[in-house]
Amino acid sequence: ILNVEQSPQSLHVQEGDSTNFTCSFPSSNFYALHWYRWETAKSPEALFVMTLNGDEKKKGRISATLNTKEGYSYLYIKGSQPEDSATYLCAFINNAGNMLTFGGGTRLMVKP
Amino acid sequence: ETGVTQTPRHLVMGMTNKKSLKCEQHLGHNAMYWYKQSAKKPLELMFVYNFKEQTENNSVPSRFSPECPNSSHLFLHLHTLQPEDSALYLCASSPEQGARGTEAFFGQGTRLTVV
Repeated sequence: ILNVEQSPQSLHVQEGDSTNFTCSFPSSNFYALHWYRWETAKSPEALFVMTLNGDEKKKGRISATLNTKEGYSYLYIKGSQPEDSATYLCAFINNAGNMLTFGGGTRLMVKP
Repeated sequence: ETGVTQTPRHLVMGMTNKKSLKCEQHLGHNAMYWYKQSAKKPLELMFVYNFKEQTENNSVPSRFSPECPNSSHLFLHLHTLQPEDSALYLCASSPEQGARGTEAFFGQGTRLTVV
C-alpha cells in the first residue's frame, strides 16, 4: 500500500495572500507525481505532471516543486484569488505501478 | 470540459435495485479507470482497464461489476448495494495505463445514494 499524504487538510486565506501546501510520497521507485485541482461540482483537472527530481513547474500564479529523494512536492499559489478556491490533489505513481495513488487533498478557501 | 462524460450525475437506488453507471471518452485513450470517493477519504481506485482488458481490481466487492465493451466506454454495474456504498464515483481515462508521464482526464462523477 502506497502512502501519499497531503497537508494541511484545509486552509482558509484572505484574497491576496500567498500560500503553499505539501504532498509527501514514498521516495523509492519514483516515476511521476501529479497535481490536480478539483472545484466543487466539476471534474478534477491536471495542473502539473512532474517526473524529474528538482523539477519546478509554473502555470500563472501556481507553481510546484519536486524532491524525489526525500519524497515531497510543494504547491505554491501567489496572490490567492477567490477563484482559486478548490481542493488540490496530488497523486503518485511508482516504477512498478500502473495506477495513480491519490492523497487526501488540501481544501483551499480564499475569502474576498 | 475534460472530454470524459459520466451519466447519470446523480443516482438514488434501493438496496435491491440494479443500476449501471456509464462513462464515455472520445479522446483516443487506451486506459480507463473507476475511482470511488467516500466522505473524508482519498480517491480510491476500484478498477483499471487497458485496451478493454481489466488489469486491476482493487479488492472491490462483487456487487460492483465493471464492463468495458470498447476503449471508449466503461460501465459500472451495481447490484444489491449497501448504504455504505453511497459515494461519488469518478471515471477517468489516460493515453496509457497508469497515466505514466501524462495526465489523467476525469469525468464529473456520479453521486450515488443507496437507501
